[in-house]
Amino acid sequence: EAQVTQNPRYLITVTGKKLTVTCSQNMNHEYMSWYRQDPGLGLRQIYYSMNVEVTDKGDVPEGYKVSRKEKRNFPLILESPSPNQTSLYFCASSPDRGYNSPLHFGNGTRLTVT
Amino acid sequence: AQSVTQLDSQVPVFEEAPVELRCNYSSSVSVYLFWYVQYPNQGLQLLLKYLSGSTLVKGINGFEAEFNKSQTSFHLRKPSVHISDTAGYFCAVGLSGNTGKLIFGQGTTLQVKP
Repeated sequence: EAQVTQNPRYLITVTGKKLTVTCSQNMNHEYMSWYRQDPGLGLRQIYYSMNVEVTDKGDVPEGYKVSRKEKRNFPLILESPSPNQTSLYFCASSPDRGYNSPLHFGNGTRLTVT
Repeated sequence: AQSVTQLDSQVPVFEEAPVELRCNYSSSVSVYLFWYVQYPNQGLQLLLKYLSGSTLVKGINGFEAEFNKSQTSFHLRKPSVHISDTAGYFCAVGLSGNTGKLIFGQGTTLQVKP
């Protein structure tokens, strides 16, 4: 089954404790992206990747890191999480960056930072 | 700056009634328009999109939307809703010349009551 898999689904952590949210897709997609979803703000892009070893900042990259060492994986790293990073996070992928191809989303990771 | 506004955060409606979810955008360049749906505890999935051509676009599950360039709107409609349509709905805009980047609205929660 074609899918984008995120882990974990839920995560509670404390301020400053490094964490990684994994994202993997099995569709051989070139383009991958991370979003955060906050009430009243919709989805905002954090980082995106056009291909292996190619990443770029989205609209809200501060406090986050990503890597794209393999085509299928695009982990999101929070080196020193803070409470304002409490949010619902989505990973998405697409065959390319064009608008003809819809984004395929994972089921989300709900992160709470205390 | 480009932006997307969904005027209603929540829309309650009775089953089998018609519904319209409103979306307005601001942009100085040509746009591509999308509606995504988010069912509880799931990621977003594409409902429909407007890239070019006919301004009336039909999507999955009986939804349709009309692009109105003069009013910069892309409202989503369904003539008769079902309980299963209860979900979050997000309007998104893609900008010509900036391939792949989507700007999402704040989202509208459709609550279908029996």
